[in-house]
Amino acid sequence: GNSVTQMEGPVTLSEEAFLTINCTYTATGYPSLFWYVQYPGEGLQLLLKATKADDKGSNKGFEATYRKETTSFHLEKGSVQVSDSAVYFCALSDTGNQFYFGTGTSLTVIP
Amino acid sequence: GAVVSQHPSRVICKSGTSVKIECRSLDFQATTMFWYRQFPKKSLMLMATSNEGSKATYEQGVEKDKFLINHASLTLSTLTVTSAHPEDSSFYICSANRGGPDIYTDTQYFGPGTRLTVL
Repeated sequence: GNSVTQMEGPVTLSEEAFLTINCTYTATGYPSLFWYVQYPGEGLQLLLKATKADDKGSNKGFEATYRKETTSFHLEKGSVQVSDSAVYFCALSDTGNQFYFGTGTSLTVIP
Repeated sequence: GAVVSQHPSRVICKSGTSVKIECRSLDFQATTMFWYRQFPKKSLMLMATSNEGSKATYEQGVEKDKFLINHASLTLSTLTVTSAHPEDSSFYICSANRGGPDIYTDTQYFGPGTRLTVL
């Protein structure tokens, strides 16, 4: 079956620190992989996605590379800002409709 | 960009009453919408798939008589929590797929969620 495992938080970083949030997946087919972000009091927003192996999704300084050999899609950002404080969800979809989410990782960036 | 709205954003109700949550796709038509439930410090759990013009498909363990879903039009799906109890208190999120030519271009849009508190 399909599932997503992501590192548990919470994660607290100082501004301008390097961020990595690990995500690994299990899938029966060839899924698309996603990172969603949920800011306090708001709904989920698509942060980035990758649709096939070796693709790199990027947005707002965040990056993640679809690694089929390690079944991973780790989220990285070189220099985080206070405004990046949010909960980050890794997800996969093999049909474009049904999504499987990780448990979410809460990130707090302190000035 | 595409927007999915939910109404209400917050609702507090007494135990035993029913609550209706609306999910609308504002600038696109969605033949399929999805309802999720988010528990504190946990991930989103897919509850059901709402299909326009037909019955919803429920995930295993979700009571279809308790969580009534109606997808009356291509832009509106409703979730009614019937005879609500405190354990139904949760954050309910809907999503809609803005279909593209293939799964590599279509995009899932999520609503902002509805916080339900049952007293």
